[in-house]
Amino acid sequence: AQSVSQHNHHVILSEAASLELGCNYSYGGTVNLFWYVQYPGQHLQLLLKYFSGDPLVKGIKGFEAEFIKSKFSFNLRKPSVQWSDTAEYFCAVKARIYGGSQGNLIFGKGTKLSVKP
Amino acid sequence: DTEVTQTPKHLVMGMTNKKSLKCEQHMGHRAMYWYKQKAKKPPELMFVYSYEKLSINESVPSRFSPECPNSSLLNLHLHALQPEDSALYLCASSQGRTSGSRNEQFFGPGTRLTVL
Repeated sequence: AQSVSQHNHHVILSEAASLELGCNYSYGGTVNLFWYVQYPGQHLQLLLKYFSGDPLVKGIKGFEAEFIKSKFSFNLRKPSVQWSDTAEYFCAVKARIYGGSQGNLIFGKGTKLSVKP
Repeated sequence: DTEVTQTPKHLVMGMTNKKSLKCEQHMGHRAMYWYKQKAKKPPELMFVYSYEKLSINESVPSRFSPECPNSSLLNLHLHALQPEDSALYLCASSQGRTSGSRNEQFFGPGTRLTVL
């Protein structure tokens, strides 16, 4: 069965600091990878996604993520965070199961990011 | 239009009430999903509809009853809920569920449900 691990439960940074949130998954086959963000009181929004091709993916609001297949990782990065980045960040994985329907979208437990002004 | 809408935004109900949550999308997506999200937890999949047919039920109690009247609408009928069912209920949609298609899911804002 697939699983997703997000190592940091709560990250506290000052504005302009660099951010890296870890995400590891367990599945031996091909996967689609996602990072979603949930701002306080708002709904889940897609930050970025990886399906195939260049393992370095650029998303919205200056976020990027790198897929490292050998490490089963898809870490999220941002060079300089802003107070408005305060939110919950969820990594999600969907297994690509050929010959049938894709697997379900499995979410990590989330990382709460607090950015101090 | 890349939006999934959900009504109501908030719902308070008693344990003997019957209510329904509604979800709508006009992106031509053929897969729709219900998730339950408790505070400070990730979304948990409840149901998946593919081409208006229920394809996945993640062992959800029968007091939750999904319905897909057409390809744009998804309902979740609630009856005899328990206080522990209080949560944010999220609807999502994607192009489809078949292999090879880029099925990112678009989420609605959710219905915040409180069961008294």
